[in-house]
Amino acid sequence: EPEVTQTPSHQVTQMGQEVILRCVPISNHLYFYWYRQILGQKVEFLVSFYNNEISEKSEIFDDQFSVERPDGSNFTLKIRSTKLEDSAMYFCASSGEPYEQYFGPGTRLTVT
Amino acid sequence: QQQVKQSPQSLIVQKGGISIINCAYENTAFDYFPWYQQFPGKGPALLIAIRPDVSEKKEGRFTISFNKSAKQFSLHIMDSQPGDSATYFCAASNLSNDYKLSFGAGTTVTVRA
Repeated sequence: EPEVTQTPSHQVTQMGQEVILRCVPISNHLYFYWYRQILGQKVEFLVSFYNNEISEKSEIFDDQFSVERPDGSNFTLKIRSTKLEDSAMYFCASSGEPYEQYFGPGTRLTVT
Repeated sequence: QQQVKQSPQSLIVQKGGISIINCAYENTAFDYFPWYQQFPGKGPALLIAIRPDVSEKKEGRFTISFNKSAKQFSLHIMDSQPGDSATYFCAASNLSNDYKLSFGAGTTVTVRA
């Protein structure tokens, strides 16, 4: 069964450093998303991406965040200058139609 | 603005019992209501979803009940099994406008053998 994959599973970085989280969506999907989940809290929407551009972003997704689909298979989330409060689990999701979003296993980002 | 409110925060049920989780939403433009199951250390997994044109949807032991006028929907887990022990999230989105999911706060279900 096709699934969304994410790398790395855990990333530790120092405050102020740049991080890139990588995702491989399900191959025939067209819609891509990033969500995050701070420990013990609900899942929060960050950004959606379709047709090589951002279709929607939340207030969390400020100028420090960017997304890219550098090739036909990868979808990345970059945080330019990490803050302590960026520590969270980051989930990539993809969907064929704009619903039935399938989530990856997540990347745990720890900012020290 | 908390768009989707979920209750209870946690529940314990005996094996074979029924687990019921409730959600209420505020945005009347929402037209897609999925439930996700999440095990510790894993991503949310789509469990079952409903559109507002039906009042109930059943898949195996999982049933969604939907009340459009009350802006509420619920998940019923029949014949609960220890393997159902997980955190369940309700969510909602407006497929006509954007596709982002607004999640509830989650319910941790523990099924005792």
